[in-house]
Amino acid sequence: NAGVTQTPKFQVLKTGQSMTLQCAQDMNHEYMSWYRQDPGMGLRLIHYSVGAGITDQGEVPNGYNVSRSTTEDFPLRLLSAAPSQTSVYFCASSMGQGYRSPLHFGNGTRLTVT
Amino acid sequence: EDKVVQSPLSLVVHEGDTVTLNCSYEVTNFRSLLWYKQEKKAPTFLFMLTSSGIEKKSGRLSSILDKKELFSILNITATQTGDSAIYLCAVDSGGGADGLTFGKGTHLIIQP
Repeated sequence: NAGVTQTPKFQVLKTGQSMTLQCAQDMNHEYMSWYRQDPGMGLRLIHYSVGAGITDQGEVPNGYNVSRSTTEDFPLRLLSAAPSQTSVYFCASSMGQGYRSPLHFGNGTRLTVT
Repeated sequence: EDKVVQSPLSLVVHEGDTVTLNCSYEVTNFRSLLWYKQEKKAPTFLFMLTSSGIEKKSGRLSSILDKKELFSILNITATQTGDSAIYLCAVDSGGGADGLTFGKGTHLIIQP
């Protein structure tokens, strides 16, 4: 059981470049989300989805797009990378939101924007 | 605004010691409190607490919630070097998005 799989593990971008962080889960979870983790800031929610075809913004959505065409996949797109987007990105999924079921996290993508 | 505060932010102890990590919260509509352990990669789930005064236990780790005083503690007894990690506390308030508000974490280092 692979759980939540994120690719790539590491990425270096130049300012202005775009890229997509991939996230896939094989647990048939309805709920998926993207977080970024910065030193001293904890985990902050970027975007989330409660099911295929449904996405919404979290706490820090600017500069990021998401889509959810299937239950399994939830890619995160950086439209025009900026140094402020240097961070570790985690994808997470659960059967339902919050109290119904805890989040399962992927291993993260460490992104550096120069 | 929902707030979760963890203390201490970092802690260094020796193997065999017992540690207590703290998590206090201010949220508008509490539903549950969750503890995660984060080593080098993904946070992994430890406990979910919804009822006050009921201890959750797993091996050397235990946690309890006080909904009146709005805090939770995570205890680790007979610590081992493998317990070194960042411990994250999150509160589900059910409001907007996924309703989860994370604290900044406690970085625990166990010295041999």
